[in-house]
Amino acid sequence: EAGVTQSPTHLIKTRGQQATLRCSPISGHTSVYWYQQALGLGLQFLLWYDEGEERNRGNFPPRFSGRQFPNYSSELNVNALELEDSALYLCASSPGQGFTGELFFGEGSRLTVL
Amino acid sequence: KQEVTQIPAALSVPEGENLVLNCSFTDSAIYNLQWFRQDPGKGLTSLLLIQSSQREQTSGRLNASLDKSSGRSTLYIAASQPGDSATYLCAVLGSNYKLTFGKGTLLTVNP
Repeated sequence: EAGVTQSPTHLIKTRGQQATLRCSPISGHTSVYWYQQALGLGLQFLLWYDEGEERNRGNFPPRFSGRQFPNYSSELNVNALELEDSALYLCASSPGQGFTGELFFGEGSRLTVL
Repeated sequence: KQEVTQIPAALSVPEGENLVLNCSFTDSAIYNLQWFRQDPGKGLTSLLLIQSSQREQTSGRLNASLDKSSGRSTLYIAASQPGDSATYLCAVLGSNYKLTFGKGTLLTVNP
């Protein structure tokens, strides 16, 4: 069974541009979580989607947005890129709202902003 | 606001040594605690999950304990190997179903 998959693996953008990152959850999972891992800051919670709805949001500006599609895959958009947005973006999925079991993560998308 | 602290930030040991990594959290209202491993530039690999009602979990040479009332967890690695070199992260799942991570312990096992 395929795990959580993310694309692209690497993305290079310049300041002011927009970046789009994608995540496909484990088959049967309806929840998708996004995390940012910036150098020196550790893993920070970004967004949680379940059944197409945004359920929770971390302390990030509105430039960070996303959506979840009917097939439960998800997209993270970062507008007006800033240098400090350079980070590894990780996605995880779970069977749904209220799940308290083990979370599995994808390999991440490395975003570099020049 | 939940805060997770991991001590030490970095640890270097000779091969074969047993070692303990520490994790503490400020809010004991958690569903579970999970230990992850992260190799440089890679994603997270789940190692062990301890539900809030459990005291410990074991997998091979790894043993994790949880003392929810004192807000502490330890990850014990027996007979360390160079392949164990990685960053180890602990994370707690809070009542808002959000995982809060520590900053990790960078482990180096020297041959």
